[in-house]
This record gives sequence, structure tokens and C-alpha cells, in this order.
Amino acid sequence: DAGVTQSPTHLIKTRGQQVTLRCSPKSGHDTVSWYQQALGQGPQFIFQYYEEEERQRGNFPDRFSGHQFPNYSSELNVNALLLGDSALYLCASSSTRATQYFGPGTRLTVL
Amino acid sequence: KQEVTQIPAALSVPEGENLVLNCSFTDSAIYNLQWFRQDPGKGLTSLLLIQSSQREQTSGRLNASLDKSSGRSTLYIAASQPGDSATYLCAVGLTGGFKTIFGAGTRLFVKA
Repeated sequence: DAGVTQSPTHLIKTRGQQVTLRCSPKSGHDTVSWYQQALGQGPQFIFQYYEEEERQRGNFPDRFSGHQFPNYSSELNVNALLLGDSALYLCASSSTRATQYFGPGTRLTVL
Repeated sequence: KQEVTQIPAALSVPEGENLVLNCSFTDSAIYNLQWFRQDPGKGLTSLLLIQSSQREQTSGRLNASLDKSSGRSTLYIAASQPGDSATYLCAVGLTGGFKTIFGAGTRLFVKA
């Protein structure tokens, strides 16, 4: 049974560009949450998707958007990239309110 | 606003020592608390999940306790090993929603 997978592993973009990150949840999980982790800090909650809807959102601007597909996989989109968006982006899957399982993350560098 | 604090920020111990990592949170209205381990540049590995109705959970050499009324959780690691070296993060799941709030973590180094 594959765990949570994320792609790509690393990504380099320039300011103003747009990026799409992808996540496939662990088998049997229907909930996907996205987090941003800056160097030396704990992950910050971006939003959570359930039944293809954004169920809750953290304190992130509208430049951050997402989508969940019928197979429960998810995408995180970030528009108009800023230098401060450079971080490790983590995806976690779960059944609602149960243990969250994290993927390996996508390292985004904005130049 | 829920805030999660982890003390100490960093810890260095000799191999074999028993140790305690601390996590405190400001709002006792939590649904659960989870402890994770993170190796440098990697994702998070779940260690223990404690539901709000529980007092503790154990897995192997790890024991986590939860005291909601005082806003505290501890992670006890018995007989530490160099392979335990990592950052340990605690995270609280909030009631009334689906947010999870993380602490900044404790960086643990176990010397051989």
C-alpha cells in the first residue's frame, strides 16, 4: 500500500510565476490537507479538502487555491509567486479527524 | 487564537538517556493531539495520536501524555538512541473546525 505521494520533489520558479503541486492520498483516505513549512518552523495549515470542497482554510491569501478530484487526489496552486513563498509544501491525508499521514513534501524555491 | 509552544527548542543528550519533550497549548478546546517526527528536509512521520478523551498513548519506547485542563502534553522517549535524532513536532486538532496547529518543534540530537 503506497503512502501519501507528492510531485514534484523540487521546483524552482521566479517571482510572479504560477505553480501547481500535486498530492495522492493514502489508500482509503478521503481528506487532504496542505501545509507550508518555512525553514526552522512548524508547518502552517493552508486548507483542507473533503468531498471535492474546501472545508477549512488557514490564514493564507487567495493566491493559494486548491482542488480535490473524485479519486481524492489534490492540487495546490499558487499564483503570483513571491520570494516568501519559498518553503517545503506538505500534503497530509486522513479519514476525517483521524491520524494524518504526510507525504515527503515539495521543496519550492522562488528566485 | 490557539498557540502551540514546544520547549526546549533544541536538546542534546548522550545515548541511553531517558528524556521528555514538552508541548503546551493555549486553548483546551482541542479534538486531538498528535506527535510527529521529522528528519531534515523530509516529510512528517506520525508517532502517536491522543484523542481529547484520552490521557496517554504508548508505542514501543515512546509514551505521550495529555492534560487538557493545563494545556500540556509530554513525549517521553526511553533509552534514547542515535537514530532518534530528529525534530519532534506536536500538533493540536481544533474543535469547531478542521484546522491543525503545529508547534515549532524540538530538535533532538542523541550522541553515540
